Amino acid sequence: EVQLVESGGGLVQPGGSLRLSCAASGFTFSDYNLNWVRQAPGKGLEWVSYISSTTAAIYYADSVKGRFTISRDNAENSLFLQMDSLRVEDTAVYYCARVAYGYGNYYFDLWGQGTLVTVSS
Amino acid sequence: EIVMTQSPATLSVSPGERVTLSCRASQSVSSSLAWYQQKPGQAPRLLIYGASARATGIPARFSGSGSGTEFTLSISSLQSEDFAVYYCQQYKNWPRTFGQGTKVEIK
Repeated sequence: EVQLVESGGGLVQPGGSLRLSCAASGFTFSDYNLNWVRQAPGKGLEWVSYISSTTAAIYYADSVKGRFTISRDNAENSLFLQMDSLRVEDTAVYYCARVAYGYGNYYFDLWGQGTLVTVSS
Repeated sequence: EIVMTQSPATLSVSPGERVTLSCRASQSVSSSLAWYQQKPGQAPRLLIYGASARATGIPARFSGSGSGTEFTLSISSLQSEDFAVYYCQQYKNWPRTFGQGTKVEIK
């Protein structure tokens, strides 16, 4: 089955760190670009970060730049998000999302079920 | 940053009715526009890409149109499983940005 499964969420204090993982299966992971997208409770979707298939291109939203680090392990079919200096406003469900295959196809065609990160004292 | 604005925020509709959702971009995104459906407690699901192409497995009652800055998502005859929140997203420029969503609820 083609799927993405996130893990690593939980409760952390402001200023703390957390590392999210996204395990892929059912497709050739190393062929695809990937993203992290988050959704605060009761709010809309916010793109967080992007990494290309070879890690040659990496982008971040201004809201997380300098605090979050995206990475991937193509041998292990896994995507990661290292989150440092966490703030209350980082509280959200974090989704990994696959970019559709092919040049110019930059929409998100596969999403994981999400993992909840709660930043609170 | 390209700001995506969706209207209305909420749409109250009866099953079987036709609905039209709007999405406006603050600058041209050509046809680099996607629509996603999200039901409570679930991840978003891709409906439309390239402004008008249906994703795999999406019923024909869903259709998208527009280019540049004005886009619409239409559902020809609303089914019970279509009550959800719908988001548009531009993938022309960085950062990728989403609209705030339109909730389609039962009237």
